[in-house]
Amino acid sequence: DTAVSQTPKYLVTQMGNDKSIKCEQNLGHDTMYWYKQDSKKFLKIMFSYNNKELIINETVPNRFSPKSPDKAHLNLHINSLELGDSAVYFCASSGREFGEKLFFGSGTQLSVL
Amino acid sequence: GENVEQHPSTLSVQEGDSAVIKCTYSDSASNYFPWYKQELGKRPQLIIDIRSNVGEKKDQRIAVTLNKTAKHFSLHITETQPEDSAVYFCAARGPGTALIFGKGTTLSVSS
Repeated sequence: DTAVSQTPKYLVTQMGNDKSIKCEQNLGHDTMYWYKQDSKKFLKIMFSYNNKELIINETVPNRFSPKSPDKAHLNLHINSLELGDSAVYFCASSGREFGEKLFFGSGTQLSVL
Repeated sequence: GENVEQHPSTLSVQEGDSAVIKCTYSDSASNYFPWYKQELGKRPQLIIDIRSNVGEKKDQRIAVTLNKTAKHFSLHITETQPEDSAVYFCAARGPGTALIFGKGTTLSVSS
């Protein structure tokens, strides 16, 4: 019964394609995030949503578009994939009831060929 | 925005030794400082955290200290074991902001 789940776990695709990653949390948290972890293991915030509203949008190309249909889901759509997009993408969530501790999903390894 | 520096980037110790990882942050409004452990191929997992109204916190073999004046915080692991080998990340967050991570420390514990 995974608290933060994301699919798919692995994604291999060609340059120029469009792909989506889905994330769901069953913790009742208000805030969800997308982080990118590059090959050097650096964890960088991309987006943050609070109750379906975008609150943080770091310097990310507009080929990346997050969508939050409800507060339990935050999906990431990437258009026109480039080689540099290859990374592990982690979804995460936090809530005031847990002292704002961040809980991560299991990650999606994206490989762009 | 917040910037978190973490040192060292790699740390090798013998089993039973202590390990210390240090971080500095830039935003004086930051008030929450967690530490995450990431094993190979796994998600980052919270191991300990500290808030700005506390100077030190301990949980068995791990402890964290915070110096708000100097904007430093550190992770201390005593009696290290091979299973402590992983990448450790410090992070900082202010009110209404996202967690900003340091670049990680790869800890290797040899038996």
